[in-house]
Amino acid sequence: DARVTQTPRHKVTEMGQEVTMRCQPILGHNTVFWYRQTMMQGLELLAYFRNRAPLDDSGMPKDRFSAEMPDATLATLKIQPSEPRDSAVYFCASGFRDTRPDTQYFGPGTRLTVL
Amino acid sequence: GNSVTQMEGPVTLSEEAFLTINCTYTATGYPSLFWYVQYPGEGLQLLLKATKADDKGSNKGFEATYRKETTSFHLEKGSVQVSDSAVYFCALSQNTNAGKSTFGDGTTLTVKP
Repeated sequence: DARVTQTPRHKVTEMGQEVTMRCQPILGHNTVFWYRQTMMQGLELLAYFRNRAPLDDSGMPKDRFSAEMPDATLATLKIQPSEPRDSAVYFCASGFRDTRPDTQYFGPGTRLTVL
Repeated sequence: GNSVTQMEGPVTLSEEAFLTINCTYTATGYPSLFWYVQYPGEGLQLLLKATKADDKGSNKGFEATYRKETTSFHLEKGSVQVSDSAVYFCALSQNTNAGKSTFGDGTTLTVKP
């Protein structure tokens, strides 16, 4: 049963520290998404990649957030420096896109707390 | 741009009650429509989907029919269980934007014994 994995599952850090979240998409999937979920804002799309190329990161605060896919098996989301308002659950999702939109498969999330 | 509007929650039902969660959308063309479910402490997972008008998606007793004329994709279940307690998200995705989806705000369902 193929799944998206995310590490760490929980992260507590202090304001100003760098945070790196990792995601392993399902093998064979060509699209990767990063979302942030909070009670106030709900589910927000931060960035997405297709075939490892960034297609849209307009939902991401550019001054502190960065997203990359060093290879097809790893996606990273970095926050530097972190701020308390970044506290949220960050989800990675992957999918396979050919000619039609398809299902997104979500990981279990990284719960980030910035003190 | 695209948008998805869901019935506001929270929704509280007794076990075996009938469930409807309304979802309407705004999009050009013919999007694919999805319902995702999120259980506490977990990521979203696909519940059902429909890719063209009049299609009915179904899974685990849940159903939703793609209604082009009313731009709706309402979720229904005839008899809910306590284990159905979760947050339900309606979403759409189109051919033109590389699989990017638009999600509704989510509806929290609590089923009491």
